[in-house]
Amino acid sequence: NAGVTQTPKFRVLKTGQSMTLLCAQDMNHEYMYWYRQDPGMGLRLIHYSVGEGTTAKGEVPDGYNVSRLKKQNFLLGLESAAPSQTSVYFCASRPGRGGSDEQFFGPGTRLTVL
Amino acid sequence: GQNIDQPTEMTATEGAIVQINCTYQTSGFNGLFWYQQHAGEAPTFLSYNVLDGLEEKGRFSSFLSRSKGYSYLLLKELQMKDSASYLCAVRDLQAGTALIFGKGTTLSVSS
Repeated sequence: NAGVTQTPKFRVLKTGQSMTLLCAQDMNHEYMYWYRQDPGMGLRLIHYSVGEGTTAKGEVPDGYNVSRLKKQNFLLGLESAAPSQTSVYFCASRPGRGGSDEQFFGPGTRLTVL
Repeated sequence: GQNIDQPTEMTATEGAIVQINCTYQTSGFNGLFWYQQHAGEAPTFLSYNVLDGLEEKGRFSSFLSRSKGYSYLLLKELQMKDSASYLCAVRDLQAGTALIFGKGTTLSVSS
């Protein structure tokens, strides 16, 4: 099992450009999450999904959109990147009801917006 | 809303014991987690408490008091490799199933 993988690992964007971050998990997990991590701010929840075809807003959703068309994939989109979105983005997943409570994290995507 | 507090930084020496405290305020508490994160890496799971008391796992132990909104992570026989950030997180039913994280405690272990 590869666990939780994220693509790309690094990216540099110019203000106004768009991009999509891909998160994939091969553990058949129901729940998936996107966080961002900034110095001094800790991990903050952007969006999450409790199953295929469902998404919900977290603490800091503005400027981001997500989609969960397939159970194994959770996409995070930036339609018009801003320097304030420079951050490290982590995806996570966990089994769901009745399963392990542990949340598994991907390796992260380091995004810089100039 | 949620509020999770933990110290920003701590230092300790090899072989010592260190306790990292975490206090929280949530509307729908459903478990407290501790994660370890080395610089430039993803967080990795350390422990989970949902009932009051102490959970021990090797050199690491975690304690929870739900009535006080308080937890601590105890690290024994410190090693240099324990230098990392330690993240306290709560699962709040008011926020779906996601974990809400504190800002983390950076632990530096010196010889």
